[in-house]
Amino acid sequence: DIQMTQSPSSLSASVGDRVTITCRASQGITNDLGWYQQKPGKAPKRLIYAASSLQSGVPSRFSGSGSGTEFTLTISSLQPEDFATYYCLQHNSYPWTFGQGTKVEIK
Amino acid sequence: EVQLVESGGGLVQSGRSLRLSCTASGFTFGDYAMNWFRQAPGKGLEWVGFIRSRAFGGTTEYAASVKGRFTISRDDSKGIAYLLMNSLKTEDTAVYCCSRDGSGSYGKGRAFDMWGQGTMVTVSS
Repeated sequence: DIQMTQSPSSLSASVGDRVTITCRASQGITNDLGWYQQKPGKAPKRLIYAASSLQSGVPSRFSGSGSGTEFTLTISSLQPEDFATYYCLQHNSYPWTFGQGTKVEIK
Repeated sequence: EVQLVESGGGLVQSGRSLRLSCTASGFTFGDYAMNWFRQAPGKGLEWVGFIRSRAFGGTTEYAASVKGRFTISRDDSKGIAYLLMNSLKTEDTAVYCCSRDGSGSYGKGRAFDMWGQGTMVTVSS
């Protein structure tokens, strides 16, 4: 199974801060990776697909990069509505696996 | 409007069975593989399994934790994917949700782009 190691597990940030979340795959997954935002009691919302493509309707402050084993989600200027938990999902080789999640909290 | 709606959750005793449904609307259901995921209370997301579209054989894959106990099926005429859960254990307690994967037919832009809100399954001892 491919292990997805996501870091940090949580972070505290202020509105306007730049935030970076990383996922590392235990083996190469090309660009078969998505980033998701989840708020309590809600379904995951896709932000990024194919590692770096922005989902339609998602603000441009979100961006993704990486390929192979190292991937990054960046929020260029954190907004109040961005406080949530973020997950990466690899779908290169099943079982599809998620990172452990990053909870973004208000400082 | 593209929509996925899960139903069928509830409280069930350990060892019993339950069948969940994922009802799709607003898109060509038959073109998509359908996945089930779950999230235990306070925990992260876990993939449960999926069923390929008919064009890709309609076959299934499962996570090791549910293989042999859970079965995924689909009815393309109704736009519904099912998750039959047998021999339930307390550790199966979670919100179960479905997601579509159209990467085989449409490319990576349609991979896990839509998710349902989920249905809660509680397994008591």
